[in-house]
Amino acid sequence: SQELEQSPQSLIVQEGKNLTINCTSSKTLYGLYWYKQKYGEGLIFLMMLQKGGEEKSHEKITAKLDEKKQQSSLHITASQPSHAGTYLCGAANDYKLSFGAGTTVTVRA
Amino acid sequence: DSGVTQTPKHLITATGQRVTLRCSPRSGDLSVYWYQQSLDQGLQFLIQYYNGEERAKGNILERFSAQQFPDLHSELNLSSLELGDSALYFCASSVGRNEQFFGPGTRLTVL
Repeated sequence: SQELEQSPQSLIVQEGKNLTINCTSSKTLYGLYWYKQKYGEGLIFLMMLQKGGEEKSHEKITAKLDEKKQQSSLHITASQPSHAGTYLCGAANDYKLSFGAGTTVTVRA
Repeated sequence: DSGVTQTPKHLITATGQRVTLRCSPRSGDLSVYWYQQSLDQGLQFLIQYYNGEERAKGNILERFSAQQFPDLHSELNLSSLELGDSALYFCASSVGRNEQFFGPGTRLTVL
């Protein structure tokens, strides 16, 4: 089965600073999804990457899938309190998604 | 709001009991997925239905079963409940193999 490792497990960032979250797969990624989750709530879809080298941005969040398609990074520029939450990467495997354990982001004012 | 609805929002029951969780997918989505999220196991895929047919199975216990009805809503049945079944249960829907949109979840507490 495909395993996803996220790092760091958690991080605290000062408001206005940048942050990066990594997601490393044990197998080639054919579809990589990034979701955000507030505690106890549903997952919010952020972005999907499929091609090696692909990069997508939405507002201040940018995600990349590396050329070898085994790692993805999520970068947040000039973090805001609204960016706080847990970010999960998910890998498409046939019809199901396998998820990493998540990275919890705290934004300090 | 993802467009996926789940009921109930919270459920408290006792060990040995049976419960049914309900999910209505986004309009037009034929695929429904069920996930279980717990502190120790993280987010785990349980089962997927596509247009009424079971498409994929994950780490779903034999005590759990699901179905998707002709109107595309889905139900997840959990029986002989144990303390360890306490978790957040999410339903997601998608169009084919595209991104999945998650519902708000049902928080199940087994006492």
